[in-house]
Amino acid sequence: AQSVSQHNHHVILSEAASLELGCNYSYGGTVNLFWYVQYPGQHLQLLLKYFSGDPLVKGIKGFEAEFIKSKFSFNLRKPSVQWSDTAEYFCAVNDRCQAGTALIFGKGTTLSVSS
Amino acid sequence: DTEVTQTPKHLVMGMTNKKSLKCEQHMGHRAMYWYKQKAKKPPELMFVYSYEKLSINESVPSRFSPECPNSSLLNLHLHALQPEDSALYLCASSQEVAGGESNQPQHFGDGTRLSIL
Repeated sequence: AQSVSQHNHHVILSEAASLELGCNYSYGGTVNLFWYVQYPGQHLQLLLKYFSGDPLVKGIKGFEAEFIKSKFSFNLRKPSVQWSDTAEYFCAVNDRCQAGTALIFGKGTTLSVSS
Repeated sequence: DTEVTQTPKHLVMGMTNKKSLKCEQHMGHRAMYWYKQKAKKPPELMFVYSYEKLSINESVPSRFSPECPNSSLLNLHLHALQPEDSALYLCASSQEVAGGESNQPQHFGDGTRLSIL
């Protein structure tokens, strides 16, 4: 069965600190990988996605993620966080070969950035 | 602002009430989804519609009844819900549909926060 593991439940950082959120997935086929962010009281927004090609993908707001196939990982990074990055971050996967199916989400990581 | 619009934003209902959640998108997407998100938990899929036809039902109780009147609208009819059904109900849409390769992300609405008394 597909599953997504996010290693950090709650991360607390000061502004300008670097961020790395871990994500590992378990799936027997080919996957698409996503990071979504949910700001307090707002909808889930797509940060970045990986379908194929360059395993280092860049998203909005200075975030990037690297797909390492051998490690089944898709870690999210940002060199310097801002207070406005405080939010819930979800890693998600779906099946590349079956369109219109579920996104499987990790449990999420709460990021709190202090100014 | 999201391009997927959900109404109402908040709903409080009793266990004997009948109500409906609505979702609308005008991006031309042909796949639409209902997810349920409990507090501090990730979203979990309930239903998928492809070309206005139900393609996935994740063993959801019959007190939840989805409906897709046209390609832009998705409803979730609620009847005789239980307190444990209190959650955030998220609608999403994507350009792709079942039967092909997946290469498009899902776009989410703000959700309807449902409370069952």
